[in-house]
Amino acid sequence: EAQVTQNPRYLITVTGKKLTVTCSQNMNHEYMSWYRQDPGLGLRQIYYSMNVEVTDKGDVPEGYKVSRKEKRNFPLILESPSPNQTSLYFCASSLSPGSHNEQFFGPGTRLTVL
Amino acid sequence: GDSVTQMEGPVTLSEEAFLTINCTYTATGYPSLFWYVQYPGEGLQLLLKATKADDKGSNKGFEATYRKETTSFHLEKGSVQVSDSAVYFCALDSGGYNKLIFGAGTRLAVHP
Repeated sequence: EAQVTQNPRYLITVTGKKLTVTCSQNMNHEYMSWYRQDPGLGLRQIYYSMNVEVTDKGDVPEGYKVSRKEKRNFPLILESPSPNQTSLYFCASSLSPGSHNEQFFGPGTRLTVL
Repeated sequence: GDSVTQMEGPVTLSEEAFLTINCTYTATGYPSLFWYVQYPGEGLQLLLKATKADDKGSNKGFEATYRKETTSFHLEKGSVQVSDSAVYFCALDSGGYNKLIFGAGTRLAVHP
């Protein structure tokens, strides 16, 4: 089944404790992206990647890192999480950059930073 | 910068009622427009899209027409079902690089 998977689905952590949220897609997509969803704000893009070893900042990149060493994986790293990073996070992928290509979203990771 | 404005929810309807969720946008150039749906506990799914003015996107009984003159992309359905209960997001892609700008989302609740 074609899908985007994220792990973990739920995470509660404390301020300053480094964490990684994994994202993997099995559709051989070039483009991958991370969003955060906050009430009243919709989804905002954190980082995106056009292909392996090519990443760039989205609208809200502060406090996050990403890497794209393999085509299928695009982990989101929080080196020193803070409470304002409590949010619902979505990974997405599409065949290639371009608005004609549908983006496929993962199921989401709900992160709480205490 | 580019932005999307959706009507605030929640929208509560009875089954078989007519649905309209308003969406207007601000963008330079000629964006592609999308409606995504998020069912409880799930990620977003593409519902429909339109890539140029006067295009009509449709899927599962939902429709939206790209209106350049009013910068709008309102979502409509003639007869909603309980299974349509979800959060609906309007979005645009103006750069052609799949960077989506989302509205805040509109929660729809349909009761029998």
